[in-house]
Amino acid sequence: DAGVIQSPRHEVTEMGQEVTLRCKPISGHNSLFWYRQTMMRGLELLIYFNNNVPIDDSGMPEDRFSAKMPNASFSTLKIQPSEPRDSAVYFCASSLRTDTQYFGPGTRLTVL
Amino acid sequence: GQQVMQIPQYQHVQEGEDFTTYCNSSTTLSNIQWYKQRPGGHPVFLIQLVKSGEVKKQKRLTFQFGEAKKNSSLHITATQTTDVGTYFCAGRVNGGSQGNLIFGKGTKLSVKP
Repeated sequence: DAGVIQSPRHEVTEMGQEVTLRCKPISGHNSLFWYRQTMMRGLELLIYFNNNVPIDDSGMPEDRFSAKMPNASFSTLKIQPSEPRDSAVYFCASSLRTDTQYFGPGTRLTVL
Repeated sequence: GQQVMQIPQYQHVQEGEDFTTYCNSSTTLSNIQWYKQRPGGHPVFLIQLVKSGEVKKQKRLTFQFGEAKKNSSLHITATQTTDVGTYFCAGRVNGGSQGNLIFGKGTKLSVKP
């Protein structure tokens, strides 16, 4: 299996622009997680889906962030409008039921 | 809210020295997982502990889960430069949302050759 796939790997954008991060979970996994990692705040869970349904989005910072999972093999995290404080590494992870989480390589986002 | 505290935040050791990182939860955990993140990489699963007082070993790594299932530790014997990275514990709270792990902030280990 190819593992969790994320794109793009790096994104540089200007403040106010819309940013869309993409994730393809491991085939057969039924849970998907979006995390944000910064030096100051560490690894933060933003939202997670179970069977394509959002279960807990309490970690989503504000209305500028939205996440979707239209099917079992694809999810997006959108930031609109982006701000410099959104600069971070965004990880997607997937798991089967409550088992181990497998992380993707991450998207390094820089908002200028 | 529910928190998982991890100490120390940083640890610098000489190659060959031992290393320990500790994880403490404010609430009882149903299980705890440990992950390692190499510099520039992504977290990679190491192990899961489920039972009270459980001890598991992986070569030079020893993982323990406390009797009260509120704390855990990772001990590395005779560190090597390949051990460099950040070690995270992640706990699942009893009665918490299924699939939701609470991550500690990690211990960043550097090893001087």
